[in-house]
Amino acid sequence: GAGVSQTPSNKVTEKGKYVELRCDPISGHTALYWYRQSLGQGPEFLIYFQGTGAADDSGLPNDRFFAVRPEGSVSTLKIQRTERGDSAVYLCASSLGGTWNTEAFFGQGTRLTVV
Amino acid sequence: TQLLEQSPQFLSIQEGENLTVYCNSSSVFSSLQWYRQEPGEGPVLLVTVVTGGEVKKLKRLTFQFGDARKDSSLHITAAQPGDTGLYLCALRPHQGAQKLVFGQGTRLTINP
Repeated sequence: GAGVSQTPSNKVTEKGKYVELRCDPISGHTALYWYRQSLGQGPEFLIYFQGTGAADDSGLPNDRFFAVRPEGSVSTLKIQRTERGDSAVYLCASSLGGTWNTEAFFGQGTRLTVV
Repeated sequence: TQLLEQSPQFLSIQEGENLTVYCNSSSVFSSLQWYRQEPGEGPVLLVTVVTGGEVKKLKRLTFQFGDARKDSSLHITAAQPGDTGLYLCALRPHQGAQKLVFGQGTRLTINP
């Protein structure tokens, strides 16, 4: 498809386990964003990539969270030693980048449940 | 930290009625966006407002940016069941910033 694709759609994991969430952005989009949305809340910024580099990772809550984008396209959000409080929908978005007012297109999200 | 407050948090009305939802910031912002999010989907951009006092229309939706650039409203005329969803406002914390700061959203339900 032509939109942002996130896999898996749903992930259930046990407390303490490691998880990886994948984002395939729209082809040609240089900017990629990760957000986290808890139940009843708006999305909360985690990290922004411009190309391969993390231009702003100020939203990552702690060092258990890490994201990569090695070739400037697909990105993986990695969460170590998951906690129940990590349960949320993780949203990825991409945009053409370059200027602040280009439209960001969101994927459908990965619903992470830590039990 | 710049905060966005949206009100009301929940709104349930009958088809055909009009409604207004609000977005207020603790400080002046350079631009503001409105999104709609349906269950199981990501937010979809509706509009970006930049200039104080600006009004934009998108079919039955009217978006207004306050003169002081600290607030915005979304008015829907003759609401339809298809308007049901979570309406989110979002701002960029400073000009040139790439990240968005979202409000908590207004969950709108239009009953047939």
